[in-house]
Amino acid sequence: DAKTTQPPSMDCAEGRAANLPCNHSTISGNEYVYWYRQIHSQGPQYIIHGLKNNETNEMASLIITEDRKSSTLILPHATLRDTAVYYCIVRPRGTGFQKLVFGTGTRLLVSP
Amino acid sequence: GAVVSQHPSRVICKSGTSVKIECRSLDFQATTMFWYRQFPKQSLMLMATSNEGSKATYEQGVEKDKFLINHASLTLSTLTVTSAHPEDSSFYICSASLTSSDNEQFFGPGTRLTVL
Repeated sequence: DAKTTQPPSMDCAEGRAANLPCNHSTISGNEYVYWYRQIHSQGPQYIIHGLKNNETNEMASLIITEDRKSSTLILPHATLRDTAVYYCIVRPRGTGFQKLVFGTGTRLLVSP
Repeated sequence: GAVVSQHPSRVICKSGTSVKIECRSLDFQATTMFWYRQFPKQSLMLMATSNEGSKATYEQGVEKDKFLINHASLTLSTLTVTSAHPEDSSFYICSASLTSSDNEQFFGPGTRLTVL
């Protein structure tokens, strides 16, 4: 079973920031938070991951609360091509801990 | 880097036939490959984990004799759907894990199987 809870859908206007929340209240100390997205009829695409510090890359920023029980993925300037299902996954990192369990994700619709 | 390909991208077959789907890591060696299935409007469900040179580990409820997995090299894994039926129609996605301590997964583009 997925260990995360996400809203089923969100809307965002093109050019605005998209803030996608994720609850993972049972996260363990050795588990990372990963975000993937899946554009329609394509394979999932890795976005970002983090342990406890906030992370930023060319695609997005990840904000993890101090108690690590929730996080927010931020797409700073959403475009129409960011319309996708976004999955928040928690899992340990390192050799032997490879399984990804996908929940239902958040369907983000970016509109003009 | 870290590109995973699948072939074919789409396949239509008659009920009762077998279909083979290939998953290749193009620019890296993958000790582990994963096969997922995704039905319309549903999330990805892990079917099996495949390690190079050994038997695949199947998730509960997945028939190993129906979904044959071969991982003969560090760059190729195949999934064969035997005696396919219409209920096997789905989107099949593979992922490959780098041979490093990070073990990040990189996903293929998926294969749409339609069984008539």
